[in-house]
Amino acid sequence: AAGVIQSPRHLIKEKRETATLKCYPIPRHDTVYWYQQGPGQDPQFLISFYEKMQSDKGSIPDRFSAQQFSDYHSELNMSSLELGDSALYFCASSLQGVAGELFFGEGSRLTVL
Amino acid sequence: KQEVTQIPAALSVPEGENLVLNCSFTDSAIYNLQWFRQDPGKGLTSLLLIQSSQREQTSGRLNASLDKSSGRSTLYIAASQPGDSATYLCAPRVAGRRALTFGSGTRLQVQP
Repeated sequence: AAGVIQSPRHLIKEKRETATLKCYPIPRHDTVYWYQQGPGQDPQFLISFYEKMQSDKGSIPDRFSAQQFSDYHSELNMSSLELGDSALYFCASSLQGVAGELFFGEGSRLTVL
Repeated sequence: KQEVTQIPAALSVPEGENLVLNCSFTDSAIYNLQWFRQDPGKGLTSLLLIQSSQREQTSGRLNASLDKSSGRSTLYIAASQPGDSATYLCAPRVAGRRALTFGSGTRLQVQP
């Protein structure tokens, strides 16, 4: 069965640079979520999209932005990167709105030097 | 704001034991609750989803119960195996929000 696909899997950037992460949800899933997990931390919700519209916002820094495109893939854009942005970034998708089970991708590991 | 607590934070047991992992949450107005496992540096694998109208869900050796009114969920793992070693996370979905709120997890080590 198709899973959530994230790219790139690993990314190394310098401080103040920009990074873009991509997420391809499970086909026909209507909601996409982005989470950030720092070392030894639990996943923190950043932002979600339902049917390509932003549906919920968590602790996403102003330096970050995200969008969902017409083909339902989503991108997380991160600018002015800081050392503290080094983390695993997960994308998840679900179907049936609030009742649906979330399925996570393998994550994109961002290292900021 | 939903606060999720998982007890114990870490657990080390010999193979074959039956285990109980506890999760409590402060806001009982939830749509559902999901249990995940996470291997080090890896993604989150969904184990069970319990809707707010359900009392329990079972999948193989795993059984999860939900007591919404008291803000508690329990994950039972029967006949534990070394392959069960991972961090287990519970995540309720608060009414009015689509996103899950995660606890800090229980880090499980099953000794062969």
